[in-house]
Amino acid sequence: GENVEQHPSTLSVQEGDSAVIKCTYSDSASNYFPWYKQELGKGPQLIIDIRSNVGEKKDQRIAVTLNKTAKHFSLHITETQPEDSAVYFCAPETGYSSASKIIFGSGTRLSIRP
Amino acid sequence: KAGVTQTPRYLIKTRGQQVTLSCSPISGHRSVSWYQQTPGQGLQFLFEYFSETQRNKGNFPGRFSGRQFSNSRSEMNVSTLELGDSALYLCASSLGQGKRGSSGNTIYFGEGSWLTVV
Repeated sequence: GENVEQHPSTLSVQEGDSAVIKCTYSDSASNYFPWYKQELGKGPQLIIDIRSNVGEKKDQRIAVTLNKTAKHFSLHITETQPEDSAVYFCAPETGYSSASKIIFGSGTRLSIRP
Repeated sequence: KAGVTQTPRYLIKTRGQQVTLSCSPISGHRSVSWYQQTPGQGLQFLFEYFSETQRNKGNFPGRFSGRQFSNSRSEMNVSTLELGDSALYLCASSLGQGKRGSSGNTIYFGEGSWLTVV
């Protein structure tokens, strides 16, 4: 099956610092690379995504970078704030997924220290 | 525009019982998919319905079933509950056409139904 690995599993950073979460996938045919954020008591929410014809995409304090050769993509959060505390999931489109069958990474619990 | 609505939010059942969870998608969305979330297994895909037909299915036993009605609302049922079925069950809706991430085909999740089996 598809192998999606996400690291680290937990991450604690000082408010104002940056956080980086990495996702590694195995399907070379993957062409869509999103990140989801799940806050306590809520369902996952898409926060940023990138397609394989682009190497980086930014949206205010968050960015996603893609290295197709190495088969990994990363979520970057700069100037972290308390509301960034959540669990983050990568979910690359793969040959085993479809438009609605999402295969999620194992998640990263991000904690922002005041 | 109302989001994805799931009911009930919390419920406790006894082993051997059955449970039915309900999901109302965003208006106009025809695809409804269900996921199980547990600390040990993470987020796992259960099944997807589109226009009242099951379009995709995950690796879960036959005790897990679902259906979709003509108004796109969906229900999932778990029979003969086991302790390991305790989880957060999430429903997601989308237009259901085209690739994930294509224009207008974003998937939206509800807040989930917390099921505890005792």
